[in-house]
Amino acid sequence: RKEVEQDPGPFNVPEGATVAFNCTYSNSASQSFFWYRQDCRKEPKLLMSVYSSGNEDGRFTAQLNRASQYISLLIRDSKLSDSATYLCVVSRSGGYNKLIFGAGTRLAVHP
Amino acid sequence: SAVISQKPSRDICQRGTSLTIQCQVDSQVTMMFWYRQQPGQSLTLIATANQGSEATYESGFVIDKFPISRPNLTFSTLTVSNMSPEDSSIYLCSVRDSPDTQYFGPGTRLTVL
Repeated sequence: RKEVEQDPGPFNVPEGATVAFNCTYSNSASQSFFWYRQDCRKEPKLLMSVYSSGNEDGRFTAQLNRASQYISLLIRDSKLSDSATYLCVVSRSGGYNKLIFGAGTRLAVHP
Repeated sequence: SAVISQKPSRDICQRGTSLTIQCQVDSQVTMMFWYRQQPGQSLTLIATANQGSEATYESGFVIDKFPISRPNLTFSTLTVSNMSPEDSSIYLCSVRDSPDTQYFGPGTRLTVL
């Protein structure tokens, strides 16, 4: 079983739609949680950190459920420019807190 | 935020040869990493490049195959040795300048024939 699991998608949604991505992680000792965005043929870039209390950044809302080892990302009012792969990332405890990447969920927003 | 450049951006190589990838950062950073992203897959950490000492390799990766240098706090190289088609991948340099922020270089797209 992979340490970080995501639905690969693709999610095909129209502009303006609300879309939610889910992610589960297997290591209960994981300490930090992130969503990264990777555009086609580009490097990953940090979208947002995920906090236990939930956090919002504009149209993006991230939630963490430590008991269920579950992370989510909600995108409201989808834009064409949101089309990308969204990577769920977990920081493993110990040493320098190594980042473990999920395989990503692909989102395609169409007109 | 850290700005990372990598050279070459892409290369096509013959099996059995070696390629050295360079990573340059615009500021001094303590933590520097090398990742691999195979087609359609997510990122896998190869090793942590330590300044002034040997790199720390992840399970499945060895120094003979992926020697790494880190002569200072702004530069590192990764060599892919004795390449085979299975080494075809994108290789990414990454740095961390705070516990919550990690940046990636643009990647080196390697094709081995």
